[in-house]
Amino acid sequence: AQSVTQLGSHVSVSEGALVLLRCNYSSSVPPYLFWYVQYPNQGLQLLLKYTSAATLVKGINGFEAEFKKSETSFHLTKPSAHMSDAAEYFCAVTSSGGYQKVTFGTGTKLQVIP
Amino acid sequence: ETGVTQSPTHLIKTRGQQVTLRCSSQSGHNTVSWYQQALGQGPQFIFQYYREEENGRGNFPPRFSGLQFPNYSSELNVNALELDDSALYLCASSPDRGREQYFGPGTRLTVT
Repeated sequence: AQSVTQLGSHVSVSEGALVLLRCNYSSSVPPYLFWYVQYPNQGLQLLLKYTSAATLVKGINGFEAEFKKSETSFHLTKPSAHMSDAAEYFCAVTSSGGYQKVTFGTGTKLQVIP
Repeated sequence: ETGVTQSPTHLIKTRGQQVTLRCSSQSGHNTVSWYQQALGQGPQFIFQYYREEENGRGNFPPRFSGLQFPNYSSELNVNALELDDSALYLCASSPDRGREQYFGPGTRLTVT
């Protein structure tokens, strides 16, 4: 079984401030982890992925995430928030089984305050 | 390279009716997965098709069914629509059941 928990359904930051979105996972096998972003009335866009290589993963738009096995975490960060970062962010985990079912968290809405 | 496309964009149906949603996978991708995203929730896995065969299914009743065609496009069919079926339906494609999935813009279904 696999699951992800996103702490905080809403996060507000000031423009230029650090963005930290939290994700903890549960998986019975080594996980593959993802962060997706969803803008209003749009589909999901892949921000970054962890696939058992480097534990610090860099993605698009200046985002990065660090895989910490001891903490079962995969938190998303960005040093300086931009107004265009306002969106909903989903953490997701996949299985290493025969089919790649993706299990998503409940999402975190990021508000950026000017 | 054409990304994942879905049609229609929006759809309004009445309870009890049937609906068909369509998805064209990204060029070179032979795997399609369908997800239901209710308002304010994360996407929930419905099922996956790989080379025209169902390759895994989530916790959805049999009235949710699908097809994948030789060109790897796919359909999601929902029979006997219920009010709770109102959601954004997302299609994602990947090569060879790959873990990195590419999502379409979704179809917004409203059941009244």
